[in-house]
Amino acid sequence: DAKTTQPTSMDCAEGRAANLPCNHSTISGNEYVYWYRQIHSQGPQYIIHGLKNNETNEMASLIITEDRKSSTLILPHATLRDTAVYYCIVSDGVGDYKLSFGAGTTVTVRA
Amino acid sequence: GAVVSQHPSRVICKSGTSVKIECRSLDFQATTMFWYRQFPKQSLMLMATSNEGSKATYEQGVEKDKFLINHASLTLSTLTVTSAHPEDSSFYICSADRSGSEAFFGQGTRLTVV
Repeated sequence: DAKTTQPTSMDCAEGRAANLPCNHSTISGNEYVYWYRQIHSQGPQYIIHGLKNNETNEMASLIITEDRKSSTLILPHATLRDTAVYYCIVSDGVGDYKLSFGAGTTVTVRA
Repeated sequence: GAVVSQHPSRVICKSGTSVKIECRSLDFQATTMFWYRQFPKQSLMLMATSNEGSKATYEQGVEKDKFLINHASLTLSTLTVTSAHPEDSSFYICSADRSGSEAFFGQGTRLTVV
């Protein structure tokens, strides 16, 4: 069973920031929050992950609440190529990247 | 970044035949690889965990005699769909575990059984 809850879908405007929420209220202390995305008919692509601190890389930023029960993935300047299904996953990430995928959020970036 | 390659990307086979899908980690050694299956408009479902040098671990409901997994080296795992039937048509995806880092996924294999 997926341990996360995400909205089914969301639209965002090209060039604007896209904020994708994820609830993981049962996350345990050693579990990381991972974000992957899947563009149609491709394998999932890693975006970012974090434990409790906010993280940023060239693709996105990850904001994790202090109680770690929720997080937000931020795509700072969405482009049409960011249209994909985005998966928020919690995992202990210790030598076992057996990831449990939920339904994810279908993000559509519109011009 | 690390690359995981799957081959073939697409395959069409006749009902009753077997199909082998390869998953290679190109720039790192993977002691563990995972095989997922994804039906249209659904999420990825884990099928099995492939362990180098030992037997694969299958998820509940996945027939181990139908989906043969071999992980003979630290860079290659194979999934063979035996006696394929139309209901086995799906998108098969592998991932590789690089210790101390995130999982990397292959580009997927679209299997169509006719």
